[in-house]
Amino acid sequence: DVKVTQSSRYLVKRTGEKVFLECVQDMDHENMFWYRQDPGLGLRLIYFSYDVKMKEKGDIPEGYSVSREKKERFSLILESASTNQTSMYLCASIDTGTSYEQYFGPGTRLTVT
Amino acid sequence: RKEVEQDPGPFNVPEGATVAFNCTYSNSASQSFFWYRQDCRKEPKLLMSVYSSGNEDGRFTAQLNRASQYISLLIRDSKLSDSATYLCVVTSLTGGGNKLTFGTGTQLKVEL
Repeated sequence: DVKVTQSSRYLVKRTGEKVFLECVQDMDHENMFWYRQDPGLGLRLIYFSYDVKMKEKGDIPEGYSVSREKKERFSLILESASTNQTSMYLCASIDTGTSYEQYFGPGTRLTVT
Repeated sequence: RKEVEQDPGPFNVPEGATVAFNCTYSNSASQSFFWYRQDCRKEPKLLMSVYSSGNEDGRFTAQLNRASQYISLLIRDSKLSDSATYLCVVTSLTGGGNKLTFGTGTQLKVEL
């Protein structure tokens, strides 16, 4: 079974703090994604990566950066957290070999106070 | 215009009913199409892929109309356990990778 894990289920941070969200997948997938999900707005793509050290902006990259130093790990960084970044963050990886099925981690609910 | 649009619902239906959801997409170069299911406070999970010829998986039927740029999901004989949010997903090639764009989801509530 594909497993995508995220470092925290719940996180509370203060405005201005630097926040790291870690995601690890164990299926050797090349493509990995970070989304945020908000009521009424659905899943919105922040960044994705199609290979180690490669990244591409999604629809809402402002205020975020990413790091992909190893194939299995994709990190999302909030350089200076703000209250409008309070959200559910979901990491995913994709099987591009056959089904293009996207496997999600359990999510991190981040609250910025 | 949003890349992928869905009616947010909720669709409230009695058990045993047939219910259909539609989803429209704006990028005519979109390549692959999927329906995902998301339960409350859980991550999305793949329900089924959508093929041009249409495909069926038990009580679920998915169809794609490329000319009109929409996909549909039909659920027959609804069960209480079908209550969830159904997300339409469209993929496209960008840069060196595949980008998936999600609709905002359609909420289904199946009632006794």
